[in-house]
Amino acid sequence: QSALTQEVSVSGTVGQKVTLSCSGNSNNIGSFAVAWYQQISHDAPKTVMVGHYLASGIPDRFSGSKSGTTASLTISGLQPEDEADYYCSTWDYSLSAWVFGGGTKVTVL
Amino acid sequence: DVQLLESGGGLVQPGGSLRLSCAASGFTFSSFGLSWVRQAPGKGLEWVSSLSGGGNSAYYAASVKGRFTISRDNSKNILSLQMNSLRAEDTAVYYCGKGGTGTTDYYYAINVWGHGTTVIVS
Repeated sequence: QSALTQEVSVSGTVGQKVTLSCSGNSNNIGSFAVAWYQQISHDAPKTVMVGHYLASGIPDRFSGSKSGTTASLTISGLQPEDEADYYCSTWDYSLSAWVFGGGTKVTVL
Repeated sequence: DVQLLESGGGLVQPGGSLRLSCAASGFTFSSFGLSWVRQAPGKGLEWVSSLSGGGNSAYYAASVKGRFTISRDNSKNILSLQMNSLRAEDTAVYYCGKGGTGTTDYYYAINVWGHGTTVIVS
C-alpha cells in the first residue's frame, strides 16, 4: 500500500483538460513540494515537475498545484503523447523516506 | 547534458549479493543528492535509498534497510548500491536519479533519471 494515493486511471479526449490527484498527509504533501513523474510504456521515468517548477523540455500544458495534503497535476489540452503512467512523490519527514503514489494511468481516447 | 548510466545488474540467487553502479557526467557531482528507485515487473515506482552530496546523510526504505548500502565516490563521479541478502522481491529495474537544490524535498526530488539496470533474484 502506497503512502500517497492516486487514481488508478484517468482518461480524456485530445484537447481535453484532465487533472490527476495525489493525496497524502501532513507529514508529506502537507509539508513538502511534490514531484510528478511520467513513464511511457515502462521506459525510464521522466520528471514532469517538482513543486511549481516545470522540468526542462516539458510543455507548459502541464501544471501543478497543492492544497493542504492533496496535490494535483493538470494537463490542459491532452495530447496523444501524454498517454503514460504518472507518479507523484515527495519527502515524508516522519518516515525519513521518499514516498511514491501508486501511479495513475492516463489514457487518451 | 546530464547523464546517468547504471550498470551491474544481473541474475543472482536468493541470499546473494550484487553491486550496482551509476556513472554520472554533465554536472558538479558532489553538489547533488542522488537516489536509487526501483520498479518491480508490472509494479509502480519504489524509492530505495538516497545519499547527500557529501555522502554523510544516507536514507533507506524500510524494505532494504540493513541489507543495502548506498555510497558515492565524488572523485570518480560514481554512485553505488551494495545489495546483500537479496530476496526474490528485490527483482526490479533499478534507476539512478539526480536531485536538485534547496530544501530536502527539492534536494532529493529526482530531476534526471538514468535508463536503469535490471536485477533478477532467482
